[in-house]
Amino acid sequence: QQQVKQSPQSLIVQKGGISIINCAYENTAFDYFPWYQQFPGKGPALLIAIRPDVSEKKEGRFTISFNKSAKQFSLHIMDSQPGDSATYFCAATPYSGNTPLVFGKGTRLSVIA
Amino acid sequence: NAGVTQTPKFQVLKTGQSMTLQCAQDMNHEYMSWYRQDPGMGLRLIHYSVGAGITDQGEVPNGYNVSRSTTEDFPLRLLSAAPSQTSVYFCASSFARGRWTEAFFGQGTRLTVV
Repeated sequence: QQQVKQSPQSLIVQKGGISIINCAYENTAFDYFPWYQQFPGKGPALLIAIRPDVSEKKEGRFTISFNKSAKQFSLHIMDSQPGDSATYFCAATPYSGNTPLVFGKGTRLSVIA
Repeated sequence: NAGVTQTPKFQVLKTGQSMTLQCAQDMNHEYMSWYRQDPGMGLRLIHYSVGAGITDQGEVPNGYNVSRSTTEDFPLRLLSAAPSQTSVYFCASSFARGRWTEAFFGQGTRLTVV
């Protein structure tokens, strides 16, 4: 059973456009939702994270939107750049207790000029 | 600061061989974990540890063993390699203080089993 469903699997966006990646979860115990960015040949690195006490978190061009009632959260990349081309993973876990992160299957983003 | 170091970066094994993937971190992190990454499958948890002497199974533990004798090291052992274990393996670490903080990943080990 896939606990975190991520879509789309791949995404092509024009330079300057908005990239949107969506994730949905089932487990109501999840209350920590990080996004990881992975460049080819590298390990994933934390990009941004959110907890359910807020509906949106913004860091530069990256924004997480969170809908607790729908059990969905999404990553928005504004003014997408070729350097944003990477694979993005959403993840979820209970914030307390150090239960392992559960990852989505990833989205390969290509930003074309 | 080296962070999370994985060795080797690349490895080719024959079916039935055994080997150990090494993972070391220098951040004094209690929590360490091993993931495998396969196309279209995302990151799947193999084993994890919340401290020295404590390990637990993840989603796909079969065919792998781990131990945690020190805080710094968390090796992953393949007992008898199979082609299905061809994958990219990532080790990650983070603080384990009752709540989540950033997880740091190594550069990965690309393993091919022929």
